[in-house]
Amino acid sequence: EPEVTQTPSHQVTQMGQEVILRCVPISNHLYFYWYRQILGQKVEFLVSFYNNEISEKSEIFDDQFSVERPDGSNFTLKIRSTKLEDSAMYFCASTRGLGGNTIYFGEGSWLTVV
Amino acid sequence: GIQVEQSPPDLILQEGANSTLRCNFSDSVNNLQWFHQNPWGQLINLFYIPSGTKQNGRLSATTVATERYSLLYISSSQTTDSGVYFCAVTGTASKLTFGTGTRLQVTL
Repeated sequence: EPEVTQTPSHQVTQMGQEVILRCVPISNHLYFYWYRQILGQKVEFLVSFYNNEISEKSEIFDDQFSVERPDGSNFTLKIRSTKLEDSAMYFCASTRGLGGNTIYFGEGSWLTVV
Repeated sequence: GIQVEQSPPDLILQEGANSTLRCNFSDSVNNLQWFHQNPWGQLINLFYIPSGTKQNGRLSATTVATERYSLLYISSSQTTDSGVYFCAVTGTASKLTFGTGTRLQVTL
């Protein structure tokens, strides 16, 4: 089965530092997403990305966050000036199209801000 | 936005027992998926099921879109079935909205 891959699997960073989480979506997919799950809570939508631009974002996705597709394969989430409350599991996901298509999730990147 | 509620929130079963997990959603959906989150935090796709019934081994799912609910059946449960089960839906937007999950513990 095709896979979404994410790196790193776990990162510990000091408060105030910048973090970049990387994802390689499934190769023929066109829609990319980042989700976040704080420990013990449900999975929350952050942002969706299509055709090299953000198509939708949640209220969580403020100016601290940015996404980029720097080349034909990677999709990144940058978190500037990290805060303690940014500690969470971050999931990347992708799908081939809208409606009638399964959304596939990566294994997650666990971010701990200390 | 669309609301997704799951029940029960917690479930403890003895190995070999059967269970039914429920997902209610507040509006019409284009996509409904069930996930199993294992103890390592990974989200495992179980079913893509916006309508109808599907089966995969000991698991099956049914979605009745007109009545806005979906059911996940686990038969002959095993300890490896433990974890959190999430239902997630998309409405008119492409993003998935997740429910709060059902935490399942299967004991020997």
